[in-house]
Amino acid sequence: GAVVSQHPSWVICKSGTSVKIECRSLDFQATTMFWYRQFPKQSLMLMATSNEGSKATYEQGVEKDKFLINHASLTLSTLTVTSAHPEDSSFYICSARDRTDYYSNQPQHFGDGTRLSIL
Amino acid sequence: SQQGEEDPQALSIQEGENATMNCSYKTSINNLQWYRQNSGRGLVHLILIRSNEREKHSGRLRVTLDTSKKSSSLLITASQAADTASYFCATENRAGGTSYGKLTFGQGTILTVHP
Repeated sequence: GAVVSQHPSWVICKSGTSVKIECRSLDFQATTMFWYRQFPKQSLMLMATSNEGSKATYEQGVEKDKFLINHASLTLSTLTVTSAHPEDSSFYICSARDRTDYYSNQPQHFGDGTRLSIL
Repeated sequence: SQQGEEDPQALSIQEGENATMNCSYKTSINNLQWYRQNSGRGLVHLILIRSNEREKHSGRLRVTLDTSKKSSSLLITASQAADTASYFCATENRAGGTSYGKLTFGQGTILTVHP
């Protein structure tokens, strides 16, 4: 089945550091990728939607200058948390789908998530 | 209240019992999905039910969808200790433009199955 690889799975870094998270679709072309954030004991909240070759669409309240999303190819999207602070510590999860998934009502394919801890 | 509310927030049962979780939503949907998440891990997709379907089965899972009430339920029969996890419903809204169906997640139900 379709696989989405997310890397790294865990990162600890100092406050003020920028952190890049990669999301790769391994065996399909990800027309659209989604980035979610999950705080402890809470649900997933969509941060942004990125379409290959286009600027990402951010959800209300998500700072686009803080969370830089790049989706330059059909198999790779990156989320960069710039100048990270402790309040950015969270579990970040990506998902991906191709165009046919939507029209055939297939689920998105999720990565395993990245646990980000800012000291 | 938020799109994708679930109840109960927490459910504790004995192995072998059935577990029922409910989800309500507010907008028109393309489909509704249920996911499981073990503590600190990624999501596992369980089942997807389309807006024109009323019931769907997969192994010990049974999902119902009532679009008139904007609600869904997930039933896990003959529960096992390994079913202990958080369960989330997620609605895929009827999307326009290039955002092919982003998901809105419910708050989740924490299920604990005691052996």
